[in-house]
Amino acid sequence: AQSVSQHNHHVILSEAASLELGCNYSYGGTVNLFWYVQYPGQHLQLLLKYFSGDPLVKGIKGFEAEFIKSKFSFNLRKPSVQWSDTAEYFCAVNAVNTDKLIFGTGTRLQVFP
Amino acid sequence: SAVISQKPSRDICQRGTSLTIQCQVDSQVTMMFWYRQQPGQSLTLIATANQGSEATYESGFVIDKFPISRPNLTFSTLTVSNMSPEDSSIYLCSVGQGANGDTQYFGPGTRLTVL
Repeated sequence: AQSVSQHNHHVILSEAASLELGCNYSYGGTVNLFWYVQYPGQHLQLLLKYFSGDPLVKGIKGFEAEFIKSKFSFNLRKPSVQWSDTAEYFCAVNAVNTDKLIFGTGTRLQVFP
Repeated sequence: SAVISQKPSRDICQRGTSLTIQCQVDSQVTMMFWYRQQPGQSLTLIATANQGSEATYESGFVIDKFPISRPNLTFSTLTVSNMSPEDSSIYLCSVGQGANGDTQYFGPGTRLTVL
């Protein structure tokens, strides 16, 4: 069965620090990969996605993620975080041509000024 | 992306009662989904709401407990039946968009507390 692991449950950073959130999945076939973000008091929003092509994808607000097929990973990065990036971040995966989206447990990011 | 609204945004209910949650989309969509997010946990798919046919439920979720309606391409309801405190969660609907409906966008969620 598919599963998604986010190893960082809670990350605390100062503004301007660099960010990398880990995401690993288990599935042998072709997958679509997503990062969603939930800001405090707001609903879940799509941050970026990867379907095919360039494994380095760029999303909104300066975020990017790199798909490394050999490592079954899709880590999220941002070179310099801001206080407004404080949120919960979810990695999600679905097998190509299926509807079921499997979510990781989420990473809570706190950025202090 | 589609604009998705849910009603109610939150509710506090008594054990043994039922609550129906509505999900409205501002455009026609083929794929609609219902998820549950229990306190401190991630999102779990409850079912896929199919227009014109019965919903498709994931393992661990049954129609008697979570009946779903999908009368048209812009609307769906999820009922949480015979509630217990363990049903306290955030319930979210999502819609699939994109070439194959393979990108999901989420509504604001309904925060349910069962006493």
